[in-house]
Amino acid sequence: DSGVTQTPKHLITATGQRVTLRCSPRSGDLSVYWYQQSLDQGLQFLIQYYNGEERAKGNILERFSAQQFPDLHSELNLSSLELGDSALYFCASSVSDRLTRSYTFGSGTRLTVV
Amino acid sequence: GQQLNQSPQSMFIQEGEDVSMNCTSSSIFNTWLWYKQEPGEGPVLLIALYKAGELTSNGRLTAQFGITRKDSFLNISASIPSDVGIYFCAGRRGNNDMRFGAGTRLTVKP
Repeated sequence: DSGVTQTPKHLITATGQRVTLRCSPRSGDLSVYWYQQSLDQGLQFLIQYYNGEERAKGNILERFSAQQFPDLHSELNLSSLELGDSALYFCASSVSDRLTRSYTFGSGTRLTVV
Repeated sequence: GQQLNQSPQSMFIQEGEDVSMNCTSSSIFNTWLWYKQEPGEGPVLLIALYKAGELTSNGRLTAQFGITRKDSFLNISASIPSDVGIYFCAGRRGNNDMRFGAGTRLTVKP
């Protein structure tokens, strides 16, 4: 157990729908990073939050948004879902706003859009 | 998009064989990381390299940070069935700029 908790583990939804993925960082970690992993692809960085504020943005679509709450958990919202959004979504957490060795991944949420 | 070229894409080896995989880029990175991902789990850090030329071992794993800072390799010696998984390289350039390779899928036959 990495200490980073992601829910749900699996999600199946229809095109056009909206879903919310949740991530609870490891205790003491202030940063949350979101990644998308498509089939046979590496991890694509989406967005980072640090202590409630957006810190860095990667290849995140406009249909996607995220936020980090005062208790430091984070949610990734995916709307107007398309078949191509089917992927594994990982979050990772670290103690500071910089990538460090303590950068730890959760087990991911597998999203299937049908 | 992806800026790290990781090869090979997949490997099928016999238990006991050594494995070598590498990652190259056209860009310079100041840190190289190697992760392993098992089915249903997130990537787990295996080795982190912080200086050009650095050679670091973690048990049967050895990784090196290329002297040009544009590449890195990972070797696994005397492979065992539990080495099965996807191995990812990652290069970090700035505080929050980290790129991942597409992964090497390793299958070990007993």
